[in-house]
Amino acid sequence: QKEVEQDPGPLSVPEGAIVSLNCTYSNSAFQYFMWYRQYSRKGPELLMYTYSSGNKEDGRFTAQVDKSSKYISLFIRDSQPSDSATYLCAMKTGGYNKLIFGAGTRLAVHP
Amino acid sequence: EADIYQTPRYLVIGTGKKITLECSQTMGHDKMYWYQQDPGMELHLIHYSYGVNSTEKGDLSSESTVSRIRTEHFPLTLESARPSHTSQYLCASSHNDEQFFGPGTRLTVL
Repeated sequence: QKEVEQDPGPLSVPEGAIVSLNCTYSNSAFQYFMWYRQYSRKGPELLMYTYSSGNKEDGRFTAQVDKSSKYISLFIRDSQPSDSATYLCAMKTGGYNKLIFGAGTRLAVHP
Repeated sequence: EADIYQTPRYLVIGTGKKITLECSQTMGHDKMYWYQQDPGMELHLIHYSYGVNSTEKGDLSSESTVSRIRTEHFPLTLESARPSHTSQYLCASSHNDEQFFGPGTRLTVL
């Protein structure tokens, strides 16, 4: 079983929709949670970084962490065609330990 | 502008050739990483470095080697490329937990 599970999609939504992207994990020691966005033929770029359980908001993006359920989510409000990309969740236990990535969810927002 | 660079962006090469993928960052980060990414798959860590003259192998076994002689430079070398090495190679750097990625090198070995 993988340490981090992420539905690969593709997820296709109309412009303006609210998008929910999710990851589940098995290692209860994970403390740091990140969401990366990766456009085709580019490197991932960091979108959101959270440390504790709860919500963190940045513009149209909200990251949610539920450590008791080992579940993290990224919500995108008022989705735009420019949001079309692959979204990768990543997490780590802390210190010098390494980031563990999900396989990514491909999102397509159509006008 | 602080950034992380990878060259070449695309490389098509024949079996048996020696190749070096370049990675440089201007952010002064002490930690640097190489990942391998295949379509629809997770990023797999193949090498990392926590500072000059420090290199370690990652979770995914790789026939490549790396060096870290300067803080800003972390090249990856394949002595003899094979078709199984065809993949996207991503370089990243970090100061703390947030890793910043380069644009990647897409390698195809014929």
